[in-house]
Amino acid sequence: QVQLQESGPGLVKPSETLSLTCTVSGGSITTYYWNLIRQPAGKGLEWVGRIYTSGSTNYNPSLKSRVTMSVDTSKNQFSLKLSSVTAADTAVYYCASSGGYYSPFDSWGQGTLVTVSS
Amino acid sequence: EIVMTQSPATLSVSPGERATLSCRASQSVSSNLAWYQQKPGQAPRLLIYGASTRATGIPARFSGSGSGTEFTLTISSLQSEDFAVYYCQQHNDWPRTFGQGTKVEIK
Repeated sequence: QVQLQESGPGLVKPSETLSLTCTVSGGSITTYYWNLIRQPAGKGLEWVGRIYTSGSTNYNPSLKSRVTMSVDTSKNQFSLKLSSVTAADTAVYYCASSGGYYSPFDSWGQGTLVTVSS
Repeated sequence: EIVMTQSPATLSVSPGERATLSCRASQSVSSNLAWYQQKPGQAPRLLIYGASTRATGIPARFSGSGSGTEFTLTISSLQSEDFAVYYCQQHNDWPRTFGQGTKVEIK
């Protein structure tokens, strides 16, 4: 199984853009699908979106207008940009891999807390 | 969007006893249903996928069953390390959706 590590600023101001990067190790970024999942404190899990190395994406419709995911195969990284953030976007953000179209999330990063506050 | 509903919200079980967790989908997800375990401060861990296939390294005391809209996760004999929150998730349709979780606590 691959290992994933999230990185990014822990604090983002309201109305700004949240940027987060996931670094993949222990495997090739070209052989999996890559996902972002978030979890507000004390609450459940919400799938944000998925990208394949071809650049094809699927986004949660509830966030679609604000989400952009990208992949950099040269760095074995994929990234999330979430625009116009509000306090409701405060959450632990997880990177996760899935092996195919109908696959579950089989490997997860440790998660990174992003707080939206002025 | 497929809504996943888990019951009960909290399950109080004594160590060594069996725990049965339920998950219902608002429409059929075939057998594309996964279960995850999450402990405080940790990322979720995949336990079961395809409704009944254990993930790598998952003990045999964890088993899953069901298809269509009704699913069950059974922990045959609870160990101390099994007290956690369990989530079901459908991996059949977009967007991928999770249940709200069942907390398994020590009775």
